[in-house]
Amino acid sequence: DTGVSQDPRHKITKRGQNVTFRCDPISEHNRLYWYRQTLGQGPEFLTYFQNEAQLEKSRLLSDRFSAERPKGSFSTLEIQRTEQGDSAMYLCASSLVGTGKNIQYFGAGTRLSVL
Amino acid sequence: DAKTTQPTSMDCAEGRAANLPCNHSTISGNEYVYWYRQIHSQGPQYIIHGLKNNETNEMASLIITEDRKSSTLILPHATLRDTAVYYCIVRVGNQFYFGTGTSLTVIP
Repeated sequence: DTGVSQDPRHKITKRGQNVTFRCDPISEHNRLYWYRQTLGQGPEFLTYFQNEAQLEKSRLLSDRFSAERPKGSFSTLEIQRTEQGDSAMYLCASSLVGTGKNIQYFGAGTRLSVL
Repeated sequence: DAKTTQPTSMDCAEGRAANLPCNHSTISGNEYVYWYRQIHSQGPQYIIHGLKNNETNEMASLIITEDRKSSTLILPHATLRDTAVYYCIVRVGNQFYFGTGTSLTVIP
């Protein structure tokens, strides 16, 4: 257990529905990252926050995706009007800036299945 | 956009050293190399990282060539629990670039 928790672990939804995932990082960590991982591939960066500010977004993050970290603690990732291509594992990671190591600690992920 | 190349799969006998190679020929001078592993249905787990010097911790050793174009992760005494996908990652700015990794199977 890395200390990063994600909820839910599994989500099954129908195409066109909206879904929201939550990530609770390690408490003192100021950076939070979201990744997407499809079967047989490595994780792909989606976005990251430093405290509550969203500093970088990948071109993979279409306008149906939105992420927030309102108080610089937990974060949510929402997907609107889900498509079958959104089926993947969504991973959250956190790190502490300033230590010079930038080690990202990952949660166990939320597996999304869009039917 | 993966910046690393790794063999797709490798086997290693239990108790022997596992040597996992990685090519990162386009790495820049200030880009770190990280190694993570992922066991089925879990998130990636940090193993070790380095810039240009060899590194060792309680899990593994990291050997980086002098030109920094490749590196090798060494698990000194592989156990069955080391069976996982191992990712060699180059950190560019604040982004980690994962490749497809090496699936390591430790054989009893």
